[in-house]
Amino acid sequence: DVKVTQSSRYLVKRTGEKVFLECVQDMDHENMFWYRQDPGLGLRLIYFSYDVKMKEKGDIPEGYSVSREKKERFSLILESASTNQTSMYLCASSPLPTGARDEQFFGPGTRLTVL
Amino acid sequence: AQSVTQLDSHVSVSEGTPVLLRCNYSSSYSPSLFWYVQHPNKGLQLLLKYTSAATLVKGINGFEAEFKKSETSFHLTKPSAHMSDAAEYFCVVSASGTYKYIFGTGTRLKVLA
Repeated sequence: DVKVTQSSRYLVKRTGEKVFLECVQDMDHENMFWYRQDPGLGLRLIYFSYDVKMKEKGDIPEGYSVSREKKERFSLILESASTNQTSMYLCASSPLPTGARDEQFFGPGTRLTVL
Repeated sequence: AQSVTQLDSHVSVSEGTPVLLRCNYSSSYSPSLFWYVQHPNKGLQLLLKYTSAATLVKGINGFEAEFKKSETSFHLTKPSAHMSDAAEYFCVVSASGTYKYIFGTGTRLKVLA
């Protein structure tokens, strides 16, 4: 079974803090994704990585950065957390090097609250 | 440009009755289409996918969906709802040669006893 794990299920941080969300997949997938999920908005792509050290901005990258130093690990960084970044964050991976014809495998999510 | 519209934000059915969750898409290319389910406090799980093979796609837990190009639809159905089907369902479209998956806003399914 493919496993995508996220470092925390629930996280509470203060405004202005630097926040790290970690994601690890165990199936040697090339592609990894970070999404944000908000009620009524579905999932919105923050960043995408198709290889180690390679990244591309998604639809809502502002206020976020990412790091992929190893193939299995993809980190999302909130440089200075703000209350409007309170949300559910979902990590996903997929096996193809290009294209999006195959399914994504999702982690359980991290619910982040910024006070 | 691609887009996906889930026509109902909430659907309620009685246990044992059919389920219909509606999805319309727009894509300039030959699309791949997916349905995912999300149970409370869980990640998303793939129910089924269409990638230009058979237009009627069977998935897990008795769900199926039909790709109708003329109607640009990919509705999800199940003949008989079970209490465990209560969850949020997402329709997703992607296009060949891109990395992007476009998610619908979700349909929350409630199953009444």
